[in-house]
Formats: sequence, structure tokens, C-alpha cells
Amino acid sequence: EVQLVESGGGLVQPGGSLRLSCAASGFSFDDYDMHWVRQVPGKGLEWVSSISWNSGSIEYVDSVKGRFTISRDNAKNSLYLQMNNLTTEDTALYYCGREGITGPIDYWGHGTLVTVSS
Amino acid sequence: DIQMTQSPSTLSASVGDRVTITCRASQSISRWLAWYQQKPGKAPKLLIYLASTLQSGVPSRFSGSGSGTEFTLSISSLQPDDFAAYFCQHYNFYTWTFGQGTKLEMK
Repeated sequence: EVQLVESGGGLVQPGGSLRLSCAASGFSFDDYDMHWVRQVPGKGLEWVSSISWNSGSIEYVDSVKGRFTISRDNAKNSLYLQMNNLTTEDTALYYCGREGITGPIDYWGHGTLVTVSS
Repeated sequence: DIQMTQSPSTLSASVGDRVTITCRASQSISRWLAWYQQKPGKAPKLLIYLASTLQSGVPSRFSGSGSGTEFTLSISSLQPDDFAAYFCQHYNFYTWTFGQGTKLEMK
């Protein structure tokens, strides 16, 4: 069974940093591209970042470029999102997702909540 | 960047109704369009990819159509389990974008 479990969320002050993790199991992690998507509770979905299976291709939404860094450790079946210089606009539930062979995200984690507030 | 515009933002319907949600892209995305269903407190669930291909396990009352810039998601006969939020998403470009969502509520 495919499982994605996010962790690392929490309350942080503006300007602070957090590192999110996503532990993957139930599939060959190093065969799949992975994504981070966020959602303000009660609002829409926003794609944040993606990383290819071998970390050779990385993309970000404009609003996080220069502040967020996506990475992965295939030996540990783990995906990461380093978030620096956080603002209140970054407050959201952060999901990790697996990009399926058909293209879009076919499996999602349950999300980890990031709250940026003073 | 490609923008995705969904309509309507809210749709009121009854069990048994046929409903249609529209998603428009700001430029042609061929058929690189997915639809997701999301229920409160849950992660999104993939329904349709490549504009019209049903994800495994998704009931056949769901269907998708379109190409280029205009796409639709239809539910042929609403069931109580279908009342949820629906999002379109373009993919297979360097950056992905979701539509703002449609909340399907019970009339």
C-alpha cells in the first residue's frame, strides 16, 4: 500500500524556517517524481514545488523561489521541503504527493500544517 | 504562467442530477488536464487524467472532456457521496496550476 506521511509542520514566527519531511513507503520511491502542494484551510490548492526521481529537475512556484528548497533522499525514501524566510502568506496545510505514471499526482499524504504568526 | 479558471465556484444540486463543471486554461494545454475531488479534512483524490481518462476505481458516472483551453467534468447522476469540492489542474509543464475549485453542495 502506497503511503506518504508528512511531518515537520508547526508554528513559526515570520522570518523563521521549517523543514518538512515526507516519508514514503509501499512503492519504489526512486522511480517517481514528487511534489509539494499547499492549501490554506477552506481554500484552494496551490502547487509549490516538484523534484524529479533523480533530483535532476526541480521547479518552484514563483512565490517561493529563493526561499524554499525541495530535496529528496532516495536511500531513505524521503522527500523534504526546506522553508526559509517564512511569511504569513505561507500559512497552509502542506501535502506531499507522488506523480503517477499517468502524469498528475495519484497519491497524497495527509498533510502537515504550517502556521506563520507572531 | 498558465492560469486555470474554474466555474462555477459553487454549484447547488440534488441527488440524481447531472452536473457539469468547466475549467478554462489561459493558453493551450493540449489534454494535460486532471480533475480531483476533495472532501473536508481529506487529501484530494484523482478522478480523471489526460482530460478524459478515468482513474482506476472511479465510478463511471464521472466523465471528462475537452482539449486545448476548455475542459469539463460531468457527473451523470449525483450520488450523496459526490458532494465535495472539485479542482482541475494542468500538468506536464514546468509548473503546475490548479483551478480555484468548485464546491458542489446539496440543494
